Amino acid sequence: DQQVKQNSPSLSVQEGRISILNCDYTNSMFDYFLWYKKYPAEGPTFLISISSIKDKNEDGRFTVFLNKSAKHLSLHIVPSQPGDSAVYFCAAVFLDTGNQFYFGTGTSLTVIP
Amino acid sequence: EPEVTQTPSHQVTQMGQEVILRCVPISNHLYFYWYRQILGQKVEFLVSFYNNEISEKSEIFDDQFSVERPDGSNFTLKIRSTKLEDSAMYFCASWADSSYEQYFGPGTRLTVT
Repeated sequence: DQQVKQNSPSLSVQEGRISILNCDYTNSMFDYFLWYKKYPAEGPTFLISISSIKDKNEDGRFTVFLNKSAKHLSLHIVPSQPGDSAVYFCAAVFLDTGNQFYFGTGTSLTVIP
Repeated sequence: EPEVTQTPSHQVTQMGQEVILRCVPISNHLYFYWYRQILGQKVEFLVSFYNNEISEKSEIFDDQFSVERPDGSNFTLKIRSTKLEDSAMYFCASWADSSYEQYFGPGTRLTVT
């Protein structure tokens, strides 16, 4: 079962423009959602998170939006920079004793200079 | 900045052999995880470990897999009899529970021939 889905495997954006990465989930009981960035040959690194009780969280150029009724979250990067080119994973977690994180399949972002 | 380390970076083994992948989580973290990513596919949860025992495991984590925290710093994943389909990147992660940021290691690429 794929509880977290990223339907766009890739995205190309011009430098300076907005990048919007999307993620859908199936289970309304998730407590927290996170975005990770991954460069080749490295482990994922945490970018930004949002609690299920909020609808927006902003950190510098990165903003995550949560639409609970649609079970959808998105990551906005403004302005996009060439160094943002990476694979972006969304993840969701139940805050129980297992604290299992569920990851999407990733979206490869290319920012064109 | 604290980091999760993993050794080796690349392990090549023959089918049927045992492998041990090693991780040193961040020292004050309490939750430890193993994930794998088969080439071109999503990051998949294998197991979570808390208080010296497995707290949750996925259906991938069958009897061929085991985890151990042999001392106060290392966290290991053992695959008893490797199969070709075990070839993947294996990521270790740790989490403090004071934030929702998992720290990932750089990964071990396991190649089973």
